[in-house]
Amino acid sequence: DGGITQSPKYLFRKEGQNVTLSCEQNLNHDAMYWYRQDPGQGLRLIYYSQIVNDFQKGDIAEGYSVSREKKESFPLTVTSAQKNPTAFYLCASTPKPGTYEQYFGPGTRLTVT
Amino acid sequence: GNSVTQMEGPVTLSEEAFLTINCTYTATGYPSLFWYVQYPGEGLQLLLKATKADDKGSNKGFEATYRKETTSFHLEKGSVQVSDSAVYFCALSAPGNTGFQKLVFGTGTRLLVSP
Repeated sequence: DGGITQSPKYLFRKEGQNVTLSCEQNLNHDAMYWYRQDPGQGLRLIYYSQIVNDFQKGDIAEGYSVSREKKESFPLTVTSAQKNPTAFYLCASTPKPGTYEQYFGPGTRLTVT
Repeated sequence: GNSVTQMEGPVTLSEEAFLTINCTYTATGYPSLFWYVQYPGEGLQLLLKATKADDKGSNKGFEATYRKETTSFHLEKGSVQVSDSAVYFCALSAPGNTGFQKLVFGTGTRLLVSP
C-alpha cells in the first residue's frame, strides 16, 4: 500500500539534544512538507520541498533543518536552538508542487524535557 | 493576509443529531477550500474540497458549500455517528513563494458524539 510513514510515533529527548524525525513516502510525490501542531492551534508550516535537493523555509523554520537527498525521504532535525520543541509533527506530500490535496503521515509526538 | 477562522469546540452532540461547524476565511484572490479530519493519534485526512465559488464538496455524508459572498465554507452532516468523533480542520490554499500552493489551516474544532 502506498502512503507516508513517520517514525517513531513517540520520541523523548533531553533539552539541548538535536533529534531527527523520519518521513518516508512511496507515493512517488514530488513535493513534501513538515508541519507542527500544538494544542488548540492549527498546523504551521516548518519547511517544504518541491523537488529533490531543494527546500524552502515555511512560516516557523527557526530551530529546524531539513534535507531532501532522495525523492521519497524528507527528514526533519529539531535542533537545540528550537525554544519550544515539544509538539506533534506531521509530514505531508503532494503529487506535484502546484496541487492542493496534501496526504499526511500519522505524525510523531516529540517530548523534550 | 490569508486566514481561516473556525468555531471553537468542543462540539458535543448525540448520535443522529445534525452537525454544523462554521468556517470563514480571508483571502486574496480565489482560494480552494478544504475540510480535513484528524482522528485521535493520527494524521490528517482530506474529507472534502471545493475549488470555486458555489461548488459543493461532499464525502461520507458531510457537505460544505463554497460561499464567496459570505466568505464561508461551513461543514454539515445530517446525522452524526459516534465514529465521527474527531477534530475537523478548515483550510484554504494560497499561493506561496516560488509558485507553490500553501495550505492555511484553522485552529480545528473537536467533535464529540455520544451514543
